[in-house]
Amino acid sequence: KAGVTQTPRYLIKTRGQQVTLSCSPISGHRSVSWYQQTPGQGLQFLFEYFSETQRNKGNFPGRFSGRQFSNSRSEMNVSTLELGDSALYLCASSWTSGGGNIQYFGAGTRLSVL
Amino acid sequence: GENVEQHPSTLSVQEGDSAVIKCTYSDSASNYFPWYKQELGKGPQLIIDIRSNVGEKKDQRIAVTLNKTAKHFSLHITETQPEDSAVYFCAASPYNFNKFYFGSGTKLNVKP
Repeated sequence: KAGVTQTPRYLIKTRGQQVTLSCSPISGHRSVSWYQQTPGQGLQFLFEYFSETQRNKGNFPGRFSGRQFSNSRSEMNVSTLELGDSALYLCASSWTSGGGNIQYFGAGTRLSVL
Repeated sequence: GENVEQHPSTLSVQEGDSAVIKCTYSDSASNYFPWYKQELGKGPQLIIDIRSNVGEKKDQRIAVTLNKTAKHFSLHITETQPEDSAVYFCAASPYNFNKFYFGSGTKLNVKP
């Protein structure tokens, strides 16, 4: 059974640009969550999508957005990139939404903003 | 919101020794507590989890304990091996949200 797949693995962008990251969840999983990982702030929750609807949102500016498609695949977009957006972006999938669900993580997309 | 604190930030043990990592949480609504291991260049991998209706759970060399009253939970690794070297994260999740609050991580180094 394939795990969570994130593409691309690495990205280099310049300030002011925008970027789109992709996540394919484990087959059958309907919830996709996104996290940002940095050395200074650690792992921080961005948002969760379930059945194409955003269910939860973390404390990030509106430049960070996402969406989910009918096949549960999800994309995350960051507009007007800032140097501080350099991070590892992780996607996690679980069977359903609500609390207490095991979340399986992908390998992440390493974003570098120059 | 929830605040999860994790200690120590680094831990160095000799192969075969035990390792203990401790976490505290602040929100009594949290009821699910997973532990993840992250190796270099990889995403976090679930190693064990515990729910608030259980005080202890064990899986071979790994065990987790939970004290709901004190709002703390701990990871215990016995008979450590060099391949246990990684960064370990604890997390807490509220009962009604698919959202994890992570600790700051513990870098475990197991010396052969």
